[in-house]
Amino acid sequence: KAGVTQTPRYLIKTRGQQVTLSCSPISGHRSVSWYQQTPGQGLQFLFEYFSETQRNKGNFPGRFSGRQFSNSRSEMNVSTLELGDSALYLCASSLRAANTEAFFGQGTRLTVV
Amino acid sequence: EDQVTQSPEALRLQEGESSSLNCSYTVSGLRGLFWYRQDPGKGPEFLFTLYSAGEEKEKERLKATLTKKESFLHITAPKPEDSATYLCAVQEQSGNLIFGKGTKLSVKP
Repeated sequence: KAGVTQTPRYLIKTRGQQVTLSCSPISGHRSVSWYQQTPGQGLQFLFEYFSETQRNKGNFPGRFSGRQFSNSRSEMNVSTLELGDSALYLCASSLRAANTEAFFGQGTRLTVV
Repeated sequence: EDQVTQSPEALRLQEGESSSLNCSYTVSGLRGLFWYRQDPGKGPEFLFTLYSAGEEKEKERLKATLTKKESFLHITAPKPEDSATYLCAVQEQSGNLIFGKGTKLSVKP
């Protein structure tokens, strides 16, 4: 059974650009959550999607957005990148909503220069 | 404000030397407490979910317990392959997960 797949694994962008990250959940999982991980702040919740609807949102600016498709795949977009957006972005999938027993992908390492 | 605090930040053990990691939390309406293991360059790996005070769960050399204010992850006779960062997360009533900053465990042979 394939795990959670995130693409790309590594990304370098320039300040002011925008970026789109992709996440394919485990087959059959309908909930996808996104997290930002930095050395200083640790893992912080961005948002959760379930059946194409955003269920929860963390305390991040509107530059961070996401969506989920009918096949449960999800994308996260960050516009007008700032240096502080450099982080490991993790996606997690679970069978049901509200992050119960979530399974994480390997993450996308975003570097903003 | 809901908070999750893990201690110690780092722990170095000799192989076979048992110890415990602590996760204390202040959250209104706890729905669940989760333990994850994270290896360098990888996403967190789910270990346990605890829902109510007094609950205990075990997996190999790991045992997690939950009280009303904290959770412990006890590691019995650790091996070098147990070296990793252990993350604790609590789930609020809204469903949001709040993570602690983790305990980095190093087990020396």
